[in-house]
Amino acid sequence: DVKVTQSSRYLVKRTGEKVFLECVQDMDHENMFWYRQDPGLGLRLIYFSYDVKMKEKGDIPEGYSVSREKKERFSLILESASTNQTSMYLCASSFSGRAYEQFFGPGTRLTVL
Amino acid sequence: AQKVTQAQTEISVVEKEDVTLDCVYETRDTTYYLFWYKQPPSGELVFLIRRNSFDEQNEISGRYSWNFQKSTSSFNFTITASQVVDSAVYFCALKQGTALIFGKGTTLSVSS
Repeated sequence: DVKVTQSSRYLVKRTGEKVFLECVQDMDHENMFWYRQDPGLGLRLIYFSYDVKMKEKGDIPEGYSVSREKKERFSLILESASTNQTSMYLCASSFSGRAYEQFFGPGTRLTVL
Repeated sequence: AQKVTQAQTEISVVEKEDVTLDCVYETRDTTYYLFWYKQPPSGELVFLIRRNSFDEQNEISGRYSWNFQKSTSSFNFTITASQVVDSAVYFCALKQGTALIFGKGTTLSVSS
């Protein structure tokens, strides 16, 4: 079975802190994605990566950056966390030829105080 | 612009009732893919089904069935004889390039 893991289920940070959210997949998937999920807004794509060191902006990249140094790991970085970044963050991965079939991690619920 | 609309925010049913979750999409592409995902209380989204624009056949998988109609740009999902374990948030999604555009989700609550 595909396994997508995220470093934390719950995280509490303070405004202005630099925050790292880590995602690891074990199926050698080329594509990896970061979404945020907010009530009434569904899932919105922040960034995705289709290969090591490659990245593309999604719909809401402002305030975020990403890093993909190894194929299995995709990090989401909040350079200076703000309260409006309090959200559920979901990581997903897929094969490049099957980008439609994404496998999701359990999510990280981030609270910024 | 591509868009997915799930007009039903929340639905509550009693066990064994049938329930249909609506999904309407907008796209200018002639070839496209639609999906349904389930997010149980544990939080992890689970892929349920994919349908491409060339295949309008309805799909049935156990108690689940999907009705894809290009004429109305809809891809509705029906659960027959609902069970408490069906309680979850259900998302409809449309493929855009490498990524997916999700609807806002429908929260289904099934009570015993």
